[in-house]
Amino acid sequence: QVQLVQSGAEVKKPGASVKVSCKASGYTFTGYYMHWVRQAPGQGLEWMGWINPNSGGTNYAQKFQGRVTMTRDTSISTAYMELSRLRSDDTAVYYCARDPDSSGWTWGWFDPWGQGTLVTVSS
Amino acid sequence: QSVLTQPPSASGTPGQRVTISCSGSSSNIGSNYVYWYQQLPGTAPKLLIYRNNQRPSGVPDRFSGSKSGTSASLAISGLRSEDEADYYCAAWDDSLSGFVVFGGGTKLTVL
Repeated sequence: QVQLVQSGAEVKKPGASVKVSCKASGYTFTGYYMHWVRQAPGQGLEWMGWINPNSGGTNYAQKFQGRVTMTRDTSISTAYMELSRLRSDDTAVYYCARDPDSSGWTWGWFDPWGQGTLVTVSS
Repeated sequence: QSVLTQPPSASGTPGQRVTISCSGSSSNIGSNYVYWYQQLPGTAPKLLIYRNNQRPSGVPDRFSGSKSGTSASLAISGLRSEDEADYYCAAWDDSLSGFVVFGGGTKLTVL
């Protein structure tokens, strides 16, 4: 079955960077776009951007441009999201989520989601 | 402030029918599909409705979606205690280079 397994929780200091991984299994990794979505404690969902695992092309939400980098390693079917210059308001659960559309584009829907990675930013 | 507008809360008693609204604009709901996600407490969101009104396999037919113009709604009939969760609408937005927008979420309480 299609599954996304993310790396474990992280605690970082303000100004540091964090890199979260998302290992895909059960499907052809390069055939589907991967998105990243975050959720601050008690808050709603916030889209961060996507990566095309085939080409490596990316599109980031305006809010995160300059601070976020999405990459992938096709040899191990893993996507990564790195967020730099962390602030306390970056404390959130970060999710990877696959777009199930196989048309070669993404329309931004998600199934399945990873289990989430809690990133805590605190001095 | 979310781009899509949902009521923050909704409630119903077991067996009742409840609806959750989602309002957007011409650049998102008005010109693209709407998706709904269910997030049970302490878990990752799960796809509930795709392309306005389609149910993934395994989602009960008690859940239904609809869209009209720049608004959409999720209906849950035969409400059950296990439906108590947060529900989010989402859509692609054609502005700029394209991005995903979410509603702020609706917390459904089963009384």
